[in-house]
Amino acid sequence: QVQLQQSGPGLVKPSQTLSLTCAISGDSVFSNSAAWNWIRQSPSRGLEWLGRTYYRSKWYNEYAVSVKSRIIINPDTSKNQFSLHLNSLTPEDTAVYYCGRDLNAGVDSWGQGTLVTVSS
Amino acid sequence: QSALTQPASVSGSPGQSITLSCTGTSSDVGAYNYVSWYQQHPGKAPKLMIYDVSNRPSGVSNRFSGSKSGNTASLTISGLQAEDEADYYCSSYTTSSTVVFGGGTKLTVL
Repeated sequence: QVQLQQSGPGLVKPSQTLSLTCAISGDSVFSNSAAWNWIRQSPSRGLEWLGRTYYRSKWYNEYAVSVKSRIIINPDTSKNQFSLHLNSLTPEDTAVYYCGRDLNAGVDSWGQGTLVTVSS
Repeated sequence: QSALTQPASVSGSPGQSITLSCTGTSSDVGAYNYVSWYQQHPGKAPKLMIYDVSNRPSGVSNRFSGSKSGNTASLTISGLQAEDEADYYCSSYTTSSTVVFGGGTKLTVL
């Protein structure tokens, strides 16, 4: 059974970069059937898909238009994990951030969620 | 990419059947059979209930069923139970190779 363990800061200052990591157990970041997603949730924006990375003989990334200029999602193959980097943060980026696995059939496994507050 | 449209709230009595709707466009819901539904209880991560419009993951009750017509997907919960009270979200893959969520529906079991 796959488990996803998130780590990263809960408080980030405006204009800085948020970096979160999602460690995978029970599956491989190299899986040819999985995609590794970041999703966030806030009262004002609801659930918002941010992007994903996946391996199909080479690495692919797909990002939401709303954050495309500010986001990078990276696999870390040596540690079987993937990360989110979101820069130029504003208070609007305050949300609970989730990582999740998608087997091309919905996100079936979720991380525990990380509440990220953007404040000085 | 605009969010999919879901009613803000729905209510039903125990034992009843209710249907939640999720309306998109020909660029998302209408384009593919890649609609998913999630259940979320307060303080918890979402749980996948339906994928690919009408398929149930292992372990999900057969009281939950999904369908789609045109640009609108639906989730039906039959034999409503108190434990079904939660927020429900739909999502769809889009023609832009992105994923879009609905705004969510709060289900109240009376």
